[in-house]
Amino acid sequence: DAGVIQSPRHEVTEMGQEVTLRCKPISGHDYLFWYRQTMMRGLELLIYFNNNVPIDDSGMPEDRFSAKMPNASFSTLKIQPSEPRDSAVYFCASSPIPRPGQGKETQYFGPGTRLLVL
Amino acid sequence: LAKTTQPISMDSYEGQEVNITCSHNNIATNDYITWYQQFPSQGPRFIIQGYKTKVTNEVASLFIPADRKSSTLSLPRVSLSDTAVYYCLVGDGVYSSASKIIFGSGTRLSIRP
Repeated sequence: DAGVIQSPRHEVTEMGQEVTLRCKPISGHDYLFWYRQTMMRGLELLIYFNNNVPIDDSGMPEDRFSAKMPNASFSTLKIQPSEPRDSAVYFCASSPIPRPGQGKETQYFGPGTRLLVL
Repeated sequence: LAKTTQPISMDSYEGQEVNITCSHNNIATNDYITWYQQFPSQGPRFIIQGYKTKVTNEVASLFIPADRKSSTLSLPRVSLSDTAVYYCLVGDGVYSSASKIIFGSGTRLSIRP
């Protein structure tokens, strides 16, 4: 299994430009999560999907951020327009349906996309 | 909402046993306790999960007292490669609310030769 795949691994852009981050979850996983990690704020959950449907986007910082999951094998996180304060590492994670009695909170993270907005 | 509290950092030496304790006073009946490990420039990686008493796998052990208000991650005979940030999470995994998925600041473990 290739694990969660994210692209690009690094992105450098200028303020005001549109940025699109991509994620391919592990096949068969029903949940997909987008996180942002910075030194100041740590690891923050932005949004998550269940069966391609956005369940909770309360962590999305503002309207400049949007996420989609058009099918079970692909998701995007878009920032438009980007700002220097958006510089961070963005992680995508996926999770299978929790099995009864087998524990629940098990997420598999991708390698992350390191975003720098100048 | 079960908030967790961990030490910000810990230091130890190769070959020692390291115990990292996490406090979660408001843990709910349906909540599990999960620990993740994160190396620099990588995403967090699942280590171990438990509900009560003791759980052991090839990487670590997790001790949970009867009241479940805390848990201790035990890493036996650590090596330099165990240097990482360790996160304790508490949740029912139902993912009914994003606010339940809180990684916190974690514990930065540094292993010295």
